[in-house]
Amino acid sequence: DVKVTQSSRYLVKRTGEKVFLECVQDMDHENMFWYRQDPGLGLRLIYFSYDVKMKEKGDIPEGYSVSREKKERFSLILESASTNQTSMYLCASSLEGPRDTQYFGPGTRLTVL
Amino acid sequence: AQKVTQAQTEISVVEKEDVTLDCVYETRDTTYYLFWYKQPPSGELVFLIRRNSFDEQNEISGRYSWNFQKSTSSFNFTITASQVVDSAVYFCALTEDGGATNKLIFGTGTLLAVQP
Repeated sequence: DVKVTQSSRYLVKRTGEKVFLECVQDMDHENMFWYRQDPGLGLRLIYFSYDVKMKEKGDIPEGYSVSREKKERFSLILESASTNQTSMYLCASSLEGPRDTQYFGPGTRLTVL
Repeated sequence: AQKVTQAQTEISVVEKEDVTLDCVYETRDTTYYLFWYKQPPSGELVFLIRRNSFDEQNEISGRYSWNFQKSTSSFNFTITASQVVDSAVYFCALTEDGGATNKLIFGTGTLLAVQP
């Protein structure tokens, strides 16, 4: 079974703090994704990585950066957290192309005060 | 432009009723993939099914069935004899073969509440 894990289920941070969200997958998948989920908006892609050190911006990359130094790990970084980044963050991975199923982690509910 | 529409925001049924969740999609690609995911209260998205655009065969898996119709750009999901454990938010999603990021384009989800 595919396993995608995220470092925290719940996180509370203060405005201006630097925040790291970690995601690890154990299936040797090429692709990893960070999505943000907000009520009424569904899930929106923040960043996508198709290989180590490779990344592509998604629909809402502003205020975020990512790092993929190892194939199994994909980090989302909020350089200076703001209250409008309070949200549910979901990490996913898939084998290779668009036909491959994306498998999701349990999510991190981030609150920025 | 690509888009997935789930017009039903919330549905409430009584246990053992059948329920259909609607999904309508828009895409210009001739090759694309459709998915359904379930998100229970715990928050994790659970994969249910994947369909490619060349396979219009309907699928049944236990109490779940899916009806894919290219003519109406719909990929509807039916739960037969619903159970309380089916209560969740259900998302329909689309990826395109020509997309740059392999991203899933999600609908806004349908909250299904199954009452005992």
